[in-house]
Amino acid sequence: EPEVTQTPSHQVTQMGQEVILRCVPISNHLYFYWYRQILGQKVEFLVSFYNNEISEKSEIFDDQFSVERPDGSNFTLKIRSTKLEDSAMYFCASSGYGSEQETQYFGPGTRLLVL
Amino acid sequence: QKEVEQNSGPLSVPEGAIASLNCTYSDRGSQSFFWYRQYSGKSPELIMSIYSNGDKEDGRFTAQLNKASQYVSLLIRDSQPSDSATYLCAAITNTGNQFYFGTGTSLTVIP
Repeated sequence: EPEVTQTPSHQVTQMGQEVILRCVPISNHLYFYWYRQILGQKVEFLVSFYNNEISEKSEIFDDQFSVERPDGSNFTLKIRSTKLEDSAMYFCASSGYGSEQETQYFGPGTRLLVL
Repeated sequence: QKEVEQNSGPLSVPEGAIASLNCTYSDRGSQSFFWYRQYSGKSPELIMSIYSNGDKEDGRFTAQLNKASQYVSLLIRDSQPSDSATYLCAAITNTGNQFYFGTGTSLTVIP
């Protein structure tokens, strides 16, 4: 069964450093998303991406964040100048088109720890 | 602000019993609703989606939607210890591009 994959599974970085989180969505999906979940808190929407551009973003997704689809398979989230409060689990998700657009399938997540 | 509210629990039920999980949402324009299960340290896993008022059954799971009252519920029949997890309710915006998740309800099924 096709699934969303994410790398790395864990990332430790120093405050102020840049990190890139990578995702490979399900191959025939057209919509891509990033979410984060701070430990013990709710899953929060960051950004959605369609047709090579951001379609919607939350207040959390400020200038520190960017997304990119550098090739036909990868979808990346870049966090510039990480802060302590960026420590969280980051989930990538993807969905299909038409009636399948609204059903999002999540990857296993990347646990980011900023020291 | 669009919100999805859930009772955080914890909810404990004995094995074989019915577990009832509830969720309310604030955005009357939301049309689609989802239940996800999340085991500790893992990603959300889709259980069911529901779009129309009424009940939708899938195996031991039944989702119920009442748009007039803006609530969604999930019933788990014949609960098993493996059902022990946090259950996340989510609503999708009219644009279809953004999920709003509740904080989740922690369920423990006691053998």
